[in-house]
Amino acid sequence: QAGLTQPPSVSKGLRQTATLTCTGNSNNVGNQGAAWLQQHQGHPPKLLSHRNNNRPSGISERLSASRSGNTASLTITGLQPEDEADYYCSAWDSRLSAWVFGEGTKLTVL
Amino acid sequence: EVQLVESGGGLVQPGGSLRLSCAASGFTFRNYWMSWVRQAPGKGLEWVANIKQDGSEKYYVDSVKGRFTVSRDNAKNSLYLQMNSLRGDDTAVYYCANMINGYWGQGTLVTVSS
Repeated sequence: QAGLTQPPSVSKGLRQTATLTCTGNSNNVGNQGAAWLQQHQGHPPKLLSHRNNNRPSGISERLSASRSGNTASLTITGLQPEDEADYYCSAWDSRLSAWVFGEGTKLTVL
Repeated sequence: EVQLVESGGGLVQPGGSLRLSCAASGFTFRNYWMSWVRQAPGKGLEWVANIKQDGSEKYYVDSVKGRFTVSRDNAKNSLYLQMNSLRGDDTAVYYCANMINGYWGQGTLVTVSS
């Protein structure tokens, strides 16, 4: 099954802003949006944003999600050391009847 | 507090079988589709299977079709994954997940090796 496209890595400085992207098609991201997950080494994924771009309770207001067409974006402002992690997007693909994931973006905070 | 607790992982020889279980609590399990997602060592997330609230619909990634079977017992708030004819590329941490709400378990490691 085809996945979503994410850049393999993004590096930004402390307190800077990072924008991560996730590109799919009209059957997945363009249809019902994409959720964003954060994963630290050795830990399970953690939901940062629902497919409707809403943050679950407890998620920092420094994170915001959006979508334009078939591309979803996650913006993290005021980068902190704890933001250094792998970030995945996920979407339901209505043609495949499958959840699809991006390959993940490794965010490095310099 | 929402909890998803997987169990049943371990070391198995190629061609062998394992049954994973996931015990859910803290949300109304019977109201949600549930999923299994896996992550091979050093790799990204891969969706494995989905099951509808009443078990009437199931979907699988192509690589496990005919080998894996997802099931659930709503009376026990439990999700299962029966894995047969295991191969080396099935080696991964297997997560139980409510993808809609973003609930994930801690995962259970399955290692397929002789």
